[in-house]
Amino acid sequence: GAVVSQHPSWVICKSGTSVKIECRSLDFQATTMFWYRQFPKQSLMLMATSNEGSKATYEQGVEKDKFLINHASLTLSTLTVTSAHPEDSSFYICSASQGMGEKLFFGSGTQLSVL
Amino acid sequence: AQSVTQLGSHVSVSEGALVLLRCNYSSSVPPYLFWYVQYPNQGLQLLLKYTSAATLVKGINGFEAEFKKSETSFHLTKPSAHMSDAAEYFCAVSNQGGKLIFGQGTELSVKP
Repeated sequence: GAVVSQHPSWVICKSGTSVKIECRSLDFQATTMFWYRQFPKQSLMLMATSNEGSKATYEQGVEKDKFLINHASLTLSTLTVTSAHPEDSSFYICSASQGMGEKLFFGSGTQLSVL
Repeated sequence: AQSVTQLGSHVSVSEGALVLLRCNYSSSVPPYLFWYVQYPNQGLQLLLKYTSAATLVKGINGFEAEFKKSETSFHLTKPSAHMSDAAEYFCAVSNQGGKLIFGQGTELSVKP
């Protein structure tokens, strides 16, 4: 079956630094990728939708200058948390799709802890 | 607009007992509906999905869900709970564009 690899699975960083999270579709071309954030004991909240080769579409309330999303190829999307602060500590999950209406595949998630 | 409501943030059952996790949705267009399971510190695994075919959907690990349009529900069931079923379960709705709206999640505990 299709696999989505997300890396790193766990990252600890100092406040003010930037962290990059990668999401790769290993055996299919992902025209669309989604980034979610999940706080402890809460549901997943969609942050943004990215389509290969175009700018990401951010959900209301998500700062696009803070959460930089790049989807430069059909197999890779990256989320960069810039100038991270402790309140950015969360579980970030990506998902990938081959296209509208196609099945979604989720990465295993990245636990970000900002000290 | 679409939304999902999961009734009960925590459900506890005994091993071997029926599992029933409730999900109601709201959608202005014919929805796609999903159930996902999440184990601690892991991503989501698709249990099953409804995409306008059969209203009774069978998924992995013995789970199934029934789409009831009149009740706007998509409850998840399993006849006999196993200890390994203990996890967080999320119901989600989509408008076929791939963008999922998740419910708040239900934590399932299974007692021996």
